[in-house]
Amino acid sequence: GAVVSQHPSRVICKSGTSVKIECRSLDFQATTMFWYRQFPKKSLMLMATSNEGSKATYEQGVEKDKFLINHASLTLSTLTVTSAHPEDSSFYICSAPDRADTQYFGPGTRLTVL
Amino acid sequence: DAKTTQPPSMDCAEGRAANLPCNHSTISGNEYVYWYRQIHSQGPQYIIHGLKNNETNEMASLIITEDRKSSTLILPHATLRDTAVYYCIVRVGGGNAGNMLTFGGGTRLMVKP
Repeated sequence: GAVVSQHPSRVICKSGTSVKIECRSLDFQATTMFWYRQFPKKSLMLMATSNEGSKATYEQGVEKDKFLINHASLTLSTLTVTSAHPEDSSFYICSAPDRADTQYFGPGTRLTVL
Repeated sequence: DAKTTQPPSMDCAEGRAANLPCNHSTISGNEYVYWYRQIHSQGPQYIIHGLKNNETNEMASLIITEDRKSSTLILPHATLRDTAVYYCIVRVGGGNAGNMLTFGGGTRLMVKP
């Protein structure tokens, strides 16, 4: 199947700092990518849809000014958590659909805000 | 997207077949059944999907009932590495990249020695 990578896999930061997470489709192009968040023992919750060349679409309750999404190319989407606080600590996962519209997920990024 | 219902947990003996059920009684004619699994602290892994015919690949088999209101994912010879949360998701497929996945609670499969 298709491969999606994320970087970094794990990050620890101080409260108030910003953290950027990269999501790359390694062997296919994706005009759309999705960002999810997962809290411990909970299911994945969609945060936003990243669209190449246009603004991201955010789910209800997700602050677009706090979670900045940039889809600069057909293989890269970035999620920046701005002014991170301990409640932003979570597992962030991206996905991208291949040509057959099968979604492939990255390995996830574990964010811990101190 | 149609809602799915899965048992919260199941056990399976190593080497035996694991049969994971999923109910999707409100599925629409253009909605596919997708299965993913998530091993602890990893991103979800695609397993298989189908529309109405049974499907098989190197990982699993997917059996969809004739009325399409339920399906079963079969792992023919479960190993300890198959221990994971298995998600059954119903969504419109076929080339529309705007269709995201909506995750329910899934089934926590525990494969035991």
